[in-house]
Amino acid sequence: NAGVTQTPKFQVLKTGQSMTLQCAQDMNHNSMYWYRQDPGMGLRLIYYSASEGTTDKGEVPNGYNVSRLNKREFSLRLESAAPSQTSVYFCASSTPRVGAGRSKNIQYFGAGTRLSVL
Amino acid sequence: GEDVEQSLFLSVREGDSSVINCTYTDSSSTYLYWYKQEPGAGLQLLTYIFSNMDMKQDQRLTVLLNKKDKHLSLRIADTQTGDSAIYFCAESFMKTGGSYIPTFGRGTSLIVHP
Repeated sequence: NAGVTQTPKFQVLKTGQSMTLQCAQDMNHNSMYWYRQDPGMGLRLIYYSASEGTTDKGEVPNGYNVSRLNKREFSLRLESAAPSQTSVYFCASSTPRVGAGRSKNIQYFGAGTRLSVL
Repeated sequence: GEDVEQSLFLSVREGDSSVINCTYTDSSSTYLYWYKQEPGAGLQLLTYIFSNMDMKQDQRLTVLLNKKDKHLSLRIADTQTGDSAIYFCAESFMKTGGSYIPTFGRGTSLIVHP
């Protein structure tokens, strides 16, 4: 069982180049997420998709676009990369359990994509 | 606001207990999580607790919740070098559209010395 798979694992871009980070999950989860991790900043939510066909902005969406291609796949696109987007990017998936005014949301993470923008 | 605060570093000796602390903001019904991140890897769930509980124990892990002070702690008994990692505290917040999504603290780097 692969879980959450991210490609590529490493990437170096020049300023202004574009690229797409791929994410796929095989756990039949409804929701998928993209985070970035910077030293001392923890994880910050870029975009999420609560269910197939929907996407919403997170805390730091500027400079990014996403596509929920189907239930399994959620991609993150950098149209014109900037040095400030140098980071480690994590994809996660989950199926939140909702009931009685509460929601348990255990996320499963990929191994990350380490991106450097020069 | 959605603030989850943690201290950034903790250093302990092998065999000692480690206590990692976290403060959260929402005192209503919420789930609180502890994730572990090993070097070069993604986050993995260690344990979670619902906000109406005081304590949860799972083998070497003990989670304590002080609702009055909105303080969460993770105690690791008999800490081993393999426990060296970054530990994240997270709290679920409702976003626009009704989705409950965890907000993460900055992470505590635990260093275990032989």
